[in-house]
Amino acid sequence: EPEVTQTPSHQVTQMGQEVILRCVPISNHLYFYWYRQILGQKVEFLVSFYNNEISEKSEIFDDQFSVERPDGSNFTLKIRSTKLEDSAMYFCASSDGLAVSYEQYFGPGTRLTVT
Amino acid sequence: EDQVTQSPEALRLQEGESSSLNCSYTVSGLRGLFWYRQDPGKGPEFLFTLYSAGEEKEKERLKATLTKKESFLHITAPKPEDSATYLCAVQGFTQGGSEKLVFGKGTKLTVNP
Repeated sequence: EPEVTQTPSHQVTQMGQEVILRCVPISNHLYFYWYRQILGQKVEFLVSFYNNEISEKSEIFDDQFSVERPDGSNFTLKIRSTKLEDSAMYFCASSDGLAVSYEQYFGPGTRLTVT
Repeated sequence: EDQVTQSPEALRLQEGESSSLNCSYTVSGLRGLFWYRQDPGKGPEFLFTLYSAGEEKEKERLKATLTKKESFLHITAPKPEDSATYLCAVQGFTQGGSEKLVFGKGTKLTVNP
């Protein structure tokens, strides 16, 4: 069964450093998303991406964040200068956009720890 | 602003003891309501999508129902392997066709053998 994959599973970085989180969406999907979940809190939307551009972003997704689809299979989230409050699980999701409501399938997540 | 509230926050059941989880929502126009299962340290696993009031969907011991203000996830004769956090999310109709999911905090279900 096709699935979304994410690497690394765990990333530890120092405050102020740049990190890149990587995702391989399901192969025939066209819509891509990043969400995050701070420990003990809700899953929160960050950004959606379609046709090589951002279609929507949340207030969390400020100038420190960027997304890219560098090739036909990868989708990345870059945090330019990490802060302690960026520590969270980051989930990539994808959808085929064919259903009425864009069912989204999530990857296993990358746990980001900023020290 | 779309909002989702789930109750109870935690639920302990004995194996075989059926129960229901509640998801109350407010949304400008409902495009879809989603149920996901999340195991500790893992990503949400898709279970169901419901589109309109009165709709029901079933999968093994799980049955999801939808009204205009809430959704229920009924668990019949649960087993220990059903232990997980169950997340409810809504997707609303907005100008520009927003695809974002708005999640509730989830209900942590524990099924004891």
